[in-house]
Amino acid sequence: DTGVSQNPRHKITKRGQNVTFRCDPISEHNRLYWYRQTLGQGPEFLTYFQNEAQLEKSRLLSDRFSAERPKGSFSTLEIQRTEQGDSAMYLCASSLGLAGGPGVDTQYFGPGTRLTVL
Amino acid sequence: LAKTTQPISMDSYEGQEVNITCSHNNIATNDYITWYQQFPSQGPRFIIQGYKTKVTNEVASLFIPADRKSSTLSLPRVSLSDTAVYYCLVVGDSSYKLIFGSGTRLLVRP
Repeated sequence: DTGVSQNPRHKITKRGQNVTFRCDPISEHNRLYWYRQTLGQGPEFLTYFQNEAQLEKSRLLSDRFSAERPKGSFSTLEIQRTEQGDSAMYLCASSLGLAGGPGVDTQYFGPGTRLTVL
Repeated sequence: LAKTTQPISMDSYEGQEVNITCSHNNIATNDYITWYQQFPSQGPRFIIQGYKTKVTNEVASLFIPADRKSSTLSLPRVSLSDTAVYYCLVVGDSSYKLIFGSGTRLLVRP
């Protein structure tokens, strides 16, 4: 399978604990995105990488959240001191990174990591 | 970023054609119309994208009128496995951020 993969698929943690999720994008995709999705809502943008550079962070990404993509390949999303409001599906997507021109840089999503904070 | 409006839910029966219409009155010249499908507990899956007129692939057709203020996703002969949430998005040709609404929940009945 050459799609976007995410691990773990499910994570249950207690409030106050730290959690880390991993995303492996499609090979050769330069751009990587993190989204968060709560029940009944569409995904919300969190952050975006062009290779290893983090180019934008949403205001949804509080100081307790940090994302990295150290070698421009896989990415990690860490949440420190988790809160019950952090419970959601965390989705990763990747795209080729087309630089303008006709067409849009299609994003391909992984299966997500469902976080439950007790 | 253009806002989209689509029905909250739709019901259909197996074998029927389903048309989901999306309004995007403030679409800009460099915006494309993109549709994603999402099953429960899975990430969204790209279905189709277009700029104007009609686009067809193996999964769906996308109809876009000349003024581009709306679009219609057409799913031919739906099956039970087409039950999902369908999102209409308007994306600029250099955008990196997808803005999802709440989507249309399609239920296909036997």
